[in-house]
Amino acid sequence: GDSVTQMEGPVTLSEEAFLTINCTYTATGYPSLFWYVQYPGEGLQLLLKATKADDKGSNKGFEATYRKETTSFHLEKGSVQVSDSAVYFCASRTTDSWGKFQFGAGTQVVVTP
Amino acid sequence: DAGVTQSPTHLIKTRGQQVTLRCSPKSGHDTVSWYQQALGQGPQFIFQYYEEEERQRGNFPDRFSGHQFPNYSSELNVNALLLGDSALYLCASSSRTSGANVLTFGAGSRLTVL
Repeated sequence: GDSVTQMEGPVTLSEEAFLTINCTYTATGYPSLFWYVQYPGEGLQLLLKATKADDKGSNKGFEATYRKETTSFHLEKGSVQVSDSAVYFCASRTTDSWGKFQFGAGTQVVVTP
Repeated sequence: DAGVTQSPTHLIKTRGQQVTLRCSPKSGHDTVSWYQQALGQGPQFIFQYYEEEERQRGNFPDRFSGHQFPNYSSELNVNALLLGDSALYLCASSSRTSGANVLTFGAGSRLTVL
């Protein structure tokens, strides 16, 4: 079945450092791909998405490119801030009409001043 | 514009009891999905409701049941609670008429089973 695998955390960075969180997926066909972020005590918020191969999703300085060849959707940010500390989830959505979402286990990011 | 609202935010039950969680979707959304998020894990899909019918179901036992009302709000019921049911239960809404390609999540209901 479909699955999403992302790198384990926690990832600890200093402010202004470069962030990469790896995400790979297995799926039948070409799913839509997403990154969601969860701040403490809150639900998940959509960060960015890509719906087809080579699409680049971007938001708030974060970027991720849909790589069909490597079945990957790695999240990157060039200069992180303390406020980026959160748990990040990679997710895929099946292409059937009901669109079932599959989430990775999440990667905790801690940014220190 | 209100997003997805869930109630209650926290609750404590004992083994064997039953619980009902409630969700109001974002305005304009017609599809509701429920997820279970155990501590330190990603959300696991329970089921999805559209037009008051269960459309998809994840790998959860029949103890987990749900309902969607004509106003699109939804309930999640869990019977015969087990310790392992302790988790954050997330409701997510989407718009099927807009492709249902993005989920909007509520803040969740944290269930503790003692």
